[in-house]
Formats: sequence, C-alpha cells, structure tokens
Amino acid sequence: AQSVTQLDSQVPVFEEAPVELRCNYSSSVSVYLFWYVQYPNQGLQLLLKYLSGSTLVKGINGFEAEFNKSQTSFHLRKPSVHISDTAEYFCAVSDPGGSYIPTFGRGTSLIVHP
Amino acid sequence: ETGVTQTPRHLVMGMTNKKSLKCEQHLGHNAMYWYKQSAKKPLELMFVYSLEERVENNSVPSRFSPECPNSSHLFLHLHTLQPEDSALYLCASSQDEGGGTDTQYFGPGTRLTVL
Repeated sequence: AQSVTQLDSQVPVFEEAPVELRCNYSSSVSVYLFWYVQYPNQGLQLLLKYLSGSTLVKGINGFEAEFNKSQTSFHLRKPSVHISDTAEYFCAVSDPGGSYIPTFGRGTSLIVHP
Repeated sequence: ETGVTQTPRHLVMGMTNKKSLKCEQHLGHNAMYWYKQSAKKPLELMFVYSLEERVENNSVPSRFSPECPNSSHLFLHLHTLQPEDSALYLCASSQDEGGGTDTQYFGPGTRLTVL
C-alpha cells in the first residue's frame, strides 16, 4: 500500500514570500498524486492533481506542483503567498494498481503572516 | 444546494446518546465516504460506499454504523460513543470512475464533541 509523508507539520511565511510544501510518497511503478486544501471550518477541496503527462501541474489560486519520479516527490509551490492562503494542505496518493481510494498525508499547516 | 452538504455542523452528545450525522451530495456521484479528522492525526477513512454498497470498512468500532439508502445520501449513526471519538467527521463523494483518478469532493464536516 502507498504511504505519504509530509515532513513539515507547520510552515510559517510572510505575505508575498514564496513557499514550498513538501510531499514524498513510497515508491511504486505509477501513482496518481493530489494536493487538497482545507480552509478553517471547511472541508477539503482539490488544488491540483497529477495523473500523467507534464510533470509540472498548475492548480487553482496560483499553486503549482512538480512530480519527480526519481525522488518520489510532489512538492507544492507558490511564488507569492497571500494572507488568505493560510490553511491546512494535504498531499494524497492513489495507486492505479491497487485501491482506488487515496491515502492522505498528515497535512501541513501554512501560516501566512502580514 | 450545491456540492456536498452535512448536517448538523456541530453536535454535542453524551456517551449514552444516540445521534445521526447526515450527508447529501448534489453532484450525481456514485461513491460516498466517511472520514474522521482528529487533531494532529492523519485523515482516517472510515467507510466507503460505491453504488450504495459498502466496499470498505477500515476496522471501525461498531458504535459507528453507516447507512447509504441511495447514491445521494449517507448517514453515520452514533451510539454509546467515547470521548476519544470527538473529532471532525467529513463526508466526501466522487464519481468512482475507477483506477484512482477520482477527485473527492468534501462537505464542511460535523464537529462532534462527546462528553
């Protein structure tokens, strides 16, 4: 079964600074990868996903992620964050050869300071 | 209503009470999920229904009982809960196109407190 590691439980950053949230997954022949965001008092919503094709995936709200097969990583980036980006971010992986249900990481809390 | 709705948004119950959580999806999806989200813990998958049949049950205690009467509605019946069951309970749905490509659509959750 796949596993997902989000090494940083909390990432503080100042407004307009760049940010990278890290995600690593356990090795597999092929995977599908997702980033979800959870704003306070809300459920999760999809930011972006990688299924195949270009390794650089662009999502909503100016976020992008890069799939790196050799490093089994799918880090999320944004060049300039806003206060409104303060939220919990979850990386998830699903295994096309196994269960179709994704495995979620523990989440990274992004805290944007003015 | 659009998307996935959950009621109630907040629930406080004693250990001897019986209550139910309701989830409704307005997206025409085939699969529905219950997750438990506790502080400092990964998202825990509890139950999965596909086309109204339970396809996964991740060793959840019997004090949690799911019900899926149709593809749009999902319930979680609660009885004799423990304080450690206090958490945010999230419902989600997906198209269930198979192969792991599905995007899950989440409701806002029910914040449950067990006294």
